[in-house]
Amino acid sequence: GENVEQHPSTLSVQEGDSAVIKCTYSDSASNYFPWYKQELGKRPQLIIDIRSNVGEKKDQRIAVTLNKTAKHFSLHITETQPEDSAVYFCAARFQGGKLIFGQGTELSVKP
Amino acid sequence: GAVVSQHPSWVICKSGTSVKIECRSLDFQATTMFWYRQFPKQSLMLMATSNEGSKATYEQGVEKDKFLINHASLTLSTLTVTSAHPEDSSFYICSAYTGAEAFFGQGTRLTVV
Repeated sequence: GENVEQHPSTLSVQEGDSAVIKCTYSDSASNYFPWYKQELGKRPQLIIDIRSNVGEKKDQRIAVTLNKTAKHFSLHITETQPEDSAVYFCAARFQGGKLIFGQGTELSVKP
Repeated sequence: GAVVSQHPSWVICKSGTSVKIECRSLDFQATTMFWYRQFPKQSLMLMATSNEGSKATYEQGVEKDKFLINHASLTLSTLTVTSAHPEDSSFYICSAYTGAEAFFGQGTRLTVV
């Protein structure tokens, strides 16, 4: 079936530390993997994405890695700041273009 | 970037009434629109996929007669929650898909009393 698993569900780090969130997906045909940050009551905001033809992508403090063989991808946030605190969702694109989301990770960055 | 406008942003309705939510892509044409529902502290759950001019495809467990989706044009899709009940209270979000990227509406907070 169409499934995305995300771990951990909650993550607490000290300001300046790194945070890593991991996801796995079910369909090897999936070719697009976005990450979203969602603040309470607001729409998800795309923060970074990766396509299946690359293994890693970086944007300042944020990076995403993809292992197609293992069907998993990860979000890495370095030098975390309190404003990084939010809920993060991974997603994978399945047949028909639909995005299926992981369960979400509540990240808390303590000053 | 592309803009997707969703209205209303919040609505309170009485149990048994119907509520219509609109999703418009303002500066691009969306081949497909997706509707999601999000309960507090949970993920976005896909409800249905709609393509312009054809019937929506509903995910397993979503009642098509309760959640009516109309996609009359490449820029507008509507979701009508019929005979709403308190358990339908949730955050509903649309997503317009260009074939390459997906853009989200602001979401609609529905409260059924």
